[in-house]
Amino acid sequence: GENVEQHPSTLSVQEGDSAVIKCTYSDSASNYFPWYKQELGKGPQLIIDIRSNVGEKKDQRIAVTLNKTAKHFSLHITETQPEDSAVYFCAARSGGYQKVTFGTGTKLQVIP
Amino acid sequence: DVKVTQSSRYLVKRTGEKVFLECVQDMDHENMFWYRQDPGLGLRLIYFSYDVKMKEKGDIPEGYSVSREKKERFSLILESASTNQTSMYLCAITGISGNTIYFGEGSWLTVV
Repeated sequence: GENVEQHPSTLSVQEGDSAVIKCTYSDSASNYFPWYKQELGKGPQLIIDIRSNVGEKKDQRIAVTLNKTAKHFSLHITETQPEDSAVYFCAARSGGYQKVTFGTGTKLQVIP
Repeated sequence: DVKVTQSSRYLVKRTGEKVFLECVQDMDHENMFWYRQDPGLGLRLIYFSYDVKMKEKGDIPEGYSVSREKKERFSLILESASTNQTSMYLCAITGISGNTIYFGEGSWLTVV
């Protein structure tokens, strides 16, 4: 089955700096890669996603890149703010809707 | 706004007790899921259901069962709770497209 590795497990940045979280996947059939943000005491929420036919996608301060050849994808957050502090999960979907495999999470702390 | 409601947010149960975790959605979505979230392990799929009375095992079904008698309600059952089932449990739904997974707020279960 699919295996998704996520690094780093914790990340501290100064407010205004950029943050990058990286994930690798193993199944070349994976075709959809969402990113979720989980704030303290809440369930994860989708923040951005990318499909396998696209190399990069941006939404304001958030961007995701995908390298299908190397089987890795990354989340980039620019101009970080304290409200960006949360746990971030990457995921990969191969096959049907049920086959979504999540990474182990990255705890991002933005220091004011 | 999508609503996935997990009625029990915090539970403390004794070893050997039968535990029910309830999840209700208001989106008329077909697919419902139960995940378990543990530090360093990410989100792991326990069971999912794509229709009333239908269920499929996920990656870690041992020690759990599920029930879906109505489209909007999906229950996770721990027949005989054990301490290694202490965890956060997340209910989730997707629509027909299966792209965006909407999560509930989570149920924190402690088994003593």
